[in-house]
Amino acid sequence: AQSVAQPEDQVNVAEGNPLTVKCTYSVSGNPYLFWYVQYPNRGLQFLLKYITGDNLVKGSYGFEAEFNKSQTSFHLKKPSALVSDSALYFCAVRPSGNTGKLIFGQGTTLQVKP
Amino acid sequence: DTGVSQDPRHKITKRGQNVTFRCDPISEHNRLYWYRQTLGQGPEFLTYFQNEAQLEKSRLLSDRFSAERPKGSFSTLEIQRTEQGDSAMYLCASSLATGTGAYEQYFGPGTRLTVT
Repeated sequence: AQSVAQPEDQVNVAEGNPLTVKCTYSVSGNPYLFWYVQYPNRGLQFLLKYITGDNLVKGSYGFEAEFNKSQTSFHLKKPSALVSDSALYFCAVRPSGNTGKLIFGQGTTLQVKP
Repeated sequence: DTGVSQDPRHKITKRGQNVTFRCDPISEHNRLYWYRQTLGQGPEFLTYFQNEAQLEKSRLLSDRFSAERPKGSFSTLEIQRTEQGDSAMYLCASSLATGTGAYEQYFGPGTRLTVT
C-alpha cells in the first residue's frame, strides 16, 4: 500500500538552531513530493515540492528539503529556526501515473522555543 | 481575497440529516479536490475534478457521499444520512494543471462537520 510516514509526532528545537522534520514514503515509481504547513485555524499552506533534478529543494520562509531516493526520504530542514515556525507540518506524495491525489503523512508538530 | 473559500466554516447536524458544503476555487484553477481530515491525522483524499469531470474517487467516498462541479467552477460535497463517523474537517483544494506534472494544491480553510 502507498503510504507516507512522519516518524515524529513532535519536534522541539531552540530558536536559532537548525531543524529537521523527517518524512519517508512508500510509493512505487517516481513520485512527486511536497511539504505543507498548517497554522492554527488556518488552511494548509504549500511550502515546497520536489519533481526531479537537484536533490535539495528550496522553498518558502527559508525552508528546504532533501530528497534521498535510496532511502525514500524527503526531510524538511531549516538552518535557523524561528519561534514563528512553530506549526504542524505535513509531508505529502503524489504517486506517479494518472492521479491527482496527494497522500499525506500524519503530521509533525514543530515547537520552537525562544 | 483570491484564495480558495469554503462555506460554511462550521456545521453541526444531527445523525441522519443531509449536509452540503460548497467550495469556490482560485478562479483560474481547473482542478478541484476534496479531502477529509480527522484530529491527529493528515488529510485523506476523497475525490477530484478537472473542469466539470470527476476524474477520481477514493474508496472512502461511500455511496452516501456525492460531489459535483457542474460548470467547472465551484463544487459541492453532499453527505446523505450523516453518521457520527462523518465528523471531520472537510478540505477543498484547487490547482492549475496544464499538462502532466506536479501541481501544488492550494487549500481552503475547511468546513468542520460535527454530527451529534
